[in-house]
Amino acid sequence: DQQVKQNSPSLSVQEGRISILNCDYTNSMFDYFLWYKKYPAEGPTFLISISSIKDKNEDGRFTVFLNKSAKHLSLHIVPSQPGDSAVYFCAASALNDYKLSFGAGTTVTVRA
Amino acid sequence: EPEVTQTPSHQVTQMGQEVILRCVPISNHLYFYWYRQILGQKVEFLVSFYNNEISEKSEIFDDQFSVERPDGSNFTLKIRSTKLEDSAMYFCASREGGYTEAFFGQGTRLTVV
Repeated sequence: DQQVKQNSPSLSVQEGRISILNCDYTNSMFDYFLWYKKYPAEGPTFLISISSIKDKNEDGRFTVFLNKSAKHLSLHIVPSQPGDSAVYFCAASALNDYKLSFGAGTTVTVRA
Repeated sequence: EPEVTQTPSHQVTQMGQEVILRCVPISNHLYFYWYRQILGQKVEFLVSFYNNEISEKSEIFDDQFSVERPDGSNFTLKIRSTKLEDSAMYFCASREGGYTEAFFGQGTRLTVV
């Protein structure tokens, strides 16, 4: 299932700078998108979501941008903090689709 | 804050044995899921469960696997005749509705030896 793709396996960013994570999808039926954060040996934790009727959603330091025509979304974290070091997963679903489809994840490392 | 609870946190089993992984989803949620993550790989969908029946399953979810919601609160994943390649973290998740986030449990680490 390659419907959700995160092409960057890792990202290193300095503390205080912006982290930008990218995600592409192929299924044009997807209309709800989510970002999850995962620490080792823990379950994914929901961060932020966006529906296809919007192009931006912001929650504190996290902003998700959706470009439907490009089938692309991104997560901006600003400023990045050491506690943000984790694996970030992009996920998507469609109205009549019961499951969330996940990307492969991007490992973010925030350097002090 | 409500949470999804999974037991056990770690299960070691001999190849060929049956295991049951247990989950207590959030009480007012209607959609239930099992995902797994083999070490270093992506989170893979196994099965979704809605209205007391399987709504969707992946190619991974073959006859070796089954799910059940026996008493309206617990949600179990049974793996029959375990194989070495079944070793993974298994995550249970639940969701209130279609345009809501899924909440994940802490996972059960299954090790087949």
